[in-house]
This record gives sequence, structure tokens and C-alpha cells, in this order.
Amino acid sequence: DSGVTQTPKHLITATGQRVTLRCSPRSGDLSVYWYQQSLDQGLQFLIQYYNGEERAKGNILERFSAQQFPDLHSELNLSSLELGDSALYFCASSAPGGGRGSPLHFGNGTRLTVT
Amino acid sequence: GDSVTQMEGPVTLSEEAFLTINCTYTATGYPSLFWYVQYPGEGLQLLLKATKADDKGSNKGFEATYRKETTSFHLEKGSVQVSDSAVYFCALTSGGSNYKLTFGKGTLLTVNP
Repeated sequence: DSGVTQTPKHLITATGQRVTLRCSPRSGDLSVYWYQQSLDQGLQFLIQYYNGEERAKGNILERFSAQQFPDLHSELNLSSLELGDSALYFCASSAPGGGRGSPLHFGNGTRLTVT
Repeated sequence: GDSVTQMEGPVTLSEEAFLTINCTYTATGYPSLFWYVQYPGEGLQLLLKATKADDKGSNKGFEATYRKETTSFHLEKGSVQVSDSAVYFCALTSGGSNYKLTFGKGTLLTVNP
């Protein structure tokens, strides 16, 4: 058990809809990362938050947004969903001060299916 | 930008066979290198890491050496088990104020009894 909790595990929704994915990082971790995993694109970095502030942005679509709350949990909002958004979405967290050698700890992911 | 290239799978081996999964990288500065493993239905788990040139990371019989001269971090195991069947990802973090991981596309390993 990595200590990172993601809910829900599975989500099935229709095109055009909006969903929210939730992540609780490991106790004490301040950074939260969101990744999208699909068969054709592999693991793509979406966005990172550190202690409530956006730290880095990757290949995140404008239809997607995220935030990290004062209790450090994070939510990823996906709107105007398209079939191509179907993927596994992972959240990861890391400890503060660990530098570039600090590993990320991943949750088990949310599988999103857009029909 | 940063990138990781790892050998395409799938790789199918018999139990007790020798495993090599090749990984090469392109990065600015001096990256840290990682191997992550993903078992079916689970998230990624750190397998091993190396943070500077010539470091060898090792765990559960797997090992990889950080080779700066060849920009490589190949994963090896002398004798694989059925329980090693999983997807293996090579990854790196480089400089800057964030430590996001850049991943390779993953290599599916299947070990048959």
C-alpha cells in the first residue's frame, strides 16, 4: 500500500460530461502529481501541485483543471469529455525536501471510460 | 526536453531466465534515474533508483547501473520468476524546481513456468 488514495476506482460517463477525480496524498507529502496513462500515449505528466500551489504543467488540456486544497488533497476536473479521454488517471505524491532523487508514490488510479 | 526510450515489448521468458530491459535517456543536467514496476490492476511502485553516474540501484534481485557515458540505465535480473510478470517503466527526473518524472513507454514482461 503506497499510502496514496484515489477515488473513485472506476468511472463511466458519456461524452460531453464533466467528472472529478480525487486524490489524497501520503501523510506528510506536500507534492501531488497527476498522470494520464493510455495505450497509445503511455504515461503523460499532466500537472503538479506543491502545498496548494501549481508547480509545473505538462500535457494538460484546457478542458482539464486541477487544484490542491489546504488539507493537501487534490482534485482533477475533466470537462467536455471526449472518447479519447478514456484512460487511467494516476495521482502520485512525494515527500518535501527530497530533491530530484525522491521517488513518487502512486495511487492505484482511476479508470475513466467515456462512452 | 527530457525523454526516455526503452525497449519495446512484450518480452516473454521462461522461469529462471536472464532478463535485460534496455533504457536510454536524454536529459538536461544530471538526472536521477528510476525503474518502476506496475502489476496488473495496481499503481506504479518504485523498483530501484540511482542518482549519480556509476551508481547501481538494486532491489528484489533486479539491478541497474547509471551509465552517463552511454546515457543508459538498463534493468537486469539473473533469474526471473513468474511473480515478476508486470510492466516495467524506466523514468528520470532532471533539474528545475519540480521533480516530475518523465517515463518511457513501458515494457510488458511475461514469465512462464
